[in-house]
Amino acid sequence: QVQLQESGPGLVKPSETLSLTCTVSGGSVNSGSYFWSWIRQPPGKGLEWIGHIYYSGSTNYNPSLKSRVTISVDTSKNQFSLKLSSVTAADTAVYYCARLCGSGTEGDNWFDPWGQGTLVTVSS
Amino acid sequence: SYELTQPPSVSVSPGQTASITCSGDKLGDKYTSWYQQKPGQSPVLVIYLDSKRPSGIPERFSGSNSGNTATLTISGTQAMDEADYYCQAWDSSTAYVFGTGTKVTVL
Repeated sequence: QVQLQESGPGLVKPSETLSLTCTVSGGSVNSGSYFWSWIRQPPGKGLEWIGHIYYSGSTNYNPSLKSRVTISVDTSKNQFSLKLSSVTAADTAVYYCARLCGSGTEGDNWFDPWGQGTLVTVSS
Repeated sequence: SYELTQPPSVSVSPGQTASITCSGDKLGDKYTSWYQQKPGQSPVLVIYLDSKRPSGIPERFSGSNSGNTATLTISGTQAMDEADYYCQAWDSSTAYVFGTGTKVTVL
């Protein structure tokens, strides 16, 4: 079964760029059946979709974060990555990667499975 | 922007039925998914496409969606069902959006 694992620095300074990688095992990011997503959850708060990428490199981002987000895919390493620039304390959160399943048509998709998540704290 | 609203908390006695609502404009015209999140763990999909259960999810979990409200129902609630539950849908203005979350307490 597919498993996802996030990795990256747990502490980032304000105004710098947050960088995380999600490694996929038991499946391939090259699969044309799925999108690969990032979702975050501030401590004690709800979930926020950040964006997703298709194996071809096509992306879709949350409009509220679009100016600061870049998601990329490395099919040779079976990984996809997140970069969030100009971070502030408001970006402190647990960051999850997840597979987006469904027909491929926006609207009838769901997130499954999720990685275990990684806490990123923005602080000087 | 599109918003999904859930009650902050729901309490239920063991063996009874818990109903968790998710409200949004014309939500019944969209597909809704539901996720269970236990403390310190990542979310787990329990319902997709309004009412479908992934393999491994107990039959006591069911879903429905009509009008402006989607509902997750847990029949014969067990102590292990105590968790936070989030609904999720897609809207052309906001893309993927999650509900505000509901904490289910089994008393």
